[in-house]
Amino acid sequence: KQEVTQIPAALSVPEGENLVLNCSFTDSAIYNLQWFRQDPGKGLTSLLLIQSSQREQTSGRLNASLDKSSGRSTLYIAASQPGDSATYLCAVGLAGNNRKLIWGLGTSLAVNP
Amino acid sequence: GAGVSQSPSNKVTEKGKDVELRCDPISGHTALYWYRQSLGQGLEFLIYFQGNSAPDKSGLPSDRFSAERTGGSVSTLTIQRTQQEDSAVYLCASSLAGVRHNEQFFGPGTRLTVL
Repeated sequence: KQEVTQIPAALSVPEGENLVLNCSFTDSAIYNLQWFRQDPGKGLTSLLLIQSSQREQTSGRLNASLDKSSGRSTLYIAASQPGDSATYLCAVGLAGNNRKLIWGLGTSLAVNP
Repeated sequence: GAGVSQSPSNKVTEKGKDVELRCDPISGHTALYWYRQSLGQGLEFLIYFQGNSAPDKSGLPSDRFSAERTGGSVSTLTIQRTQQEDSAVYLCASSLAGVRHNEQFFGPGTRLTVL
């Protein structure tokens, strides 16, 4: 059974810091891995998607890496800003017919001005 | 519309009542998912529809939960005889095989509160 763990559960940093959020999963037979952002009371915003055959994806100040063999992904945020404050969720897409997502509990990030 | 829409955005109901939650996926998306996010817990998969295939209902927590997708587009999630533990945010997502690597796009969710 696939399980997804995110560390740390919460993180508070001063503005401008570079930071890394961690995601680990127990079964390497994945189809893809997605990082999402969730703001309080709002829906999910997809940030990056990494296919199982890929090693990393980049979008602006965000970089996500994937090491499928070790069951790990990291989300790197460069030069953090107060607007980055949100909960970041890692979700693993299962290999197989339905590609359903298995979710971590998220990292709650606060970037302080 | 350009994205996934869900209605209502909020629903408050009394224990024992039935509720219906609606999802309009992105036009042309063949796959549709329902997930649930309970307070203090991660999101959990409920049900998956793909085209005309039989849905994957493996995530439905009890037989009080059912869902249908009419005409391969709009989906309705029905919860019968609601219980307080059904209180959660219900999220719908859609995707299209082969497009952006089956990336799932999410609606804003329906927040269900059972009193």
